[in-house]
Amino acid sequence: KNQVEQSPQSLIILEGKNCTLQCNYTVSPFSNLRWYKQDTGRGPVSLTIMTFSENTKSNGRYTATLDADTKQSSLHITASQLSDSASYICVVSAGMDSNYQLIWGAGTKLIIKP
Amino acid sequence: NAGVTQTPKFQVLKTGQSMTLQCAQDMNHEYMSWYRQDPGMGLRLIHYSVGAGITDQGEVPNGYNVSRSTTEDFPLRLLSAAPSQTSVYFCASSYSNLAGGLSPLHFGNGTRLTVT
Repeated sequence: KNQVEQSPQSLIILEGKNCTLQCNYTVSPFSNLRWYKQDTGRGPVSLTIMTFSENTKSNGRYTATLDADTKQSSLHITASQLSDSASYICVVSAGMDSNYQLIWGAGTKLIIKP
Repeated sequence: NAGVTQTPKFQVLKTGQSMTLQCAQDMNHEYMSWYRQDPGMGLRLIHYSVGAGITDQGEVPNGYNVSRSTTEDFPLRLLSAAPSQTSVYFCASSYSNLAGGLSPLHFGNGTRLTVT
C-alpha cells in the first residue's frame, strides 16, 4: 500500500533556530516528491519539487533532500522566522504521465516562538 | 491575480441538507480537483476534472457530485449532508494533468463545513 509518513507530528522551536522535518514514503512507482507549506486557514502552497535524480534543492531558507534508495526526504529550515509557523506537507506522486496518484502525508505542524 | 477562489469560507448544515461549494480559477488551468482535509490525515481526493465536460471520481467520492461546464468553474455538490462530511474542503487546479504530477497544485483557501 502506498504510504507517506511524516515526523514529527509537531515541533516547537525558537526564532532563529534551524530545524529538519522528515518524510518517509512507501510508494511505487515513484515519480516525484513535493513539499507544501500550509498556513493556518489557508490552502497549501508548493515549496519545492524533487524528481528521482535530484538529491538536494533549495528555495531560499528551505532546503529539501531526497534519498531514493532509503525512500526518505527531509525539509531543512535555516534561521527560522515567525512566518515559518505553518504545517509542512510531503506529497509523493506515484505513476507516470496522466496515470498517477498523489499520496499525501498528514503534515508536520511547526511553531516558531519569539 | 485571484488564482483559485472558493466560496463560502464557512458553512453550517443540518443533516440531510444539500449545498454547493463553489470553486473558480482564473489561470486557464485544465486540471481541477476537490480535496477534503481532516485532522491527523493527509488530503483525500474527492473528484477531479481534466477539462471542461470531463470529471472522474477520486478516493472518497460517495455523497458528492461535481460537474465542469467551463474551464473556470468546478462546483462540488453535497447531496444529503451527513456529520461524517464535516471537514475542510479545498479546491485545487494545475496547468496539466500530464507528466506524473510535475505541475504544482494551486489551492484555494478552503471551505470549513460543519454538519450537525
